[in-house]
Amino acid sequence: GDSVTQMEGPVTLSEEAFLTINCTYTATGYPSLFWYVQYPGEGLQLLLKATKADDKGSNKGFEATYRKETTSFHLEKGSVQVSDSAVYFCALHLSGGYQKVTFGTGTKLQVIP
Amino acid sequence: GAVVSQHPSWVICKSGTSVKIECRSLDFQATTMFWYRQFPKQSLMLMATSNEGSKATYEQGVEKDKFLINHASLTLSTLTVTSAHPEDSSFYICSVTPGLASYEQYFGPGTRLTVT
Repeated sequence: GDSVTQMEGPVTLSEEAFLTINCTYTATGYPSLFWYVQYPGEGLQLLLKATKADDKGSNKGFEATYRKETTSFHLEKGSVQVSDSAVYFCALHLSGGYQKVTFGTGTKLQVIP
Repeated sequence: GAVVSQHPSWVICKSGTSVKIECRSLDFQATTMFWYRQFPKQSLMLMATSNEGSKATYEQGVEKDKFLINHASLTLSTLTVTSAHPEDSSFYICSVTPGLASYEQYFGPGTRLTVT
């Protein structure tokens, strides 16, 4: 079945450090890929998405490129801030009408001043 | 994006009792809502898809008689955990979708259920 694997956390970085959170997927078709972010005490929010191979999603300084050859969608940010501290979820969705989204386990990011 | 609320944000109940969790779409009408369960350090597990005016669609392995879902209006879906047991303790999250954009989901803040 479809699945998403992302690196275990927590990830602790100093402010202005470079961030990479790895995400790989397994899917029977051609999924759309997403990163969601969950700030403390809040619901999940869509951070960025990519709907086809080689697409790059970007938002708030975060980027992720849909790599079909490596079935990956790694999240990157060049310079993290304390306000980026949150849990990040990689997810996929297969088109075809059924709206089920498959999530990874989430990676907690803690940025220290 | 859409604003989704859940009530209560946390609840403690005794084993054997039932608990109702509400999910409200505050700024648009949602024909479809989703209910997820999240265990510590684990992914969100889709429990069921809630369709307004019809029966919910449950994922494999989810007991429909234990987790009762009612989507009586376009802005409200409820999840009732019946005869709760300690193993039902978890974080329950709902989401809504505008429908046409099939992958766009907007999530509520979640409800922490603890069964003693």
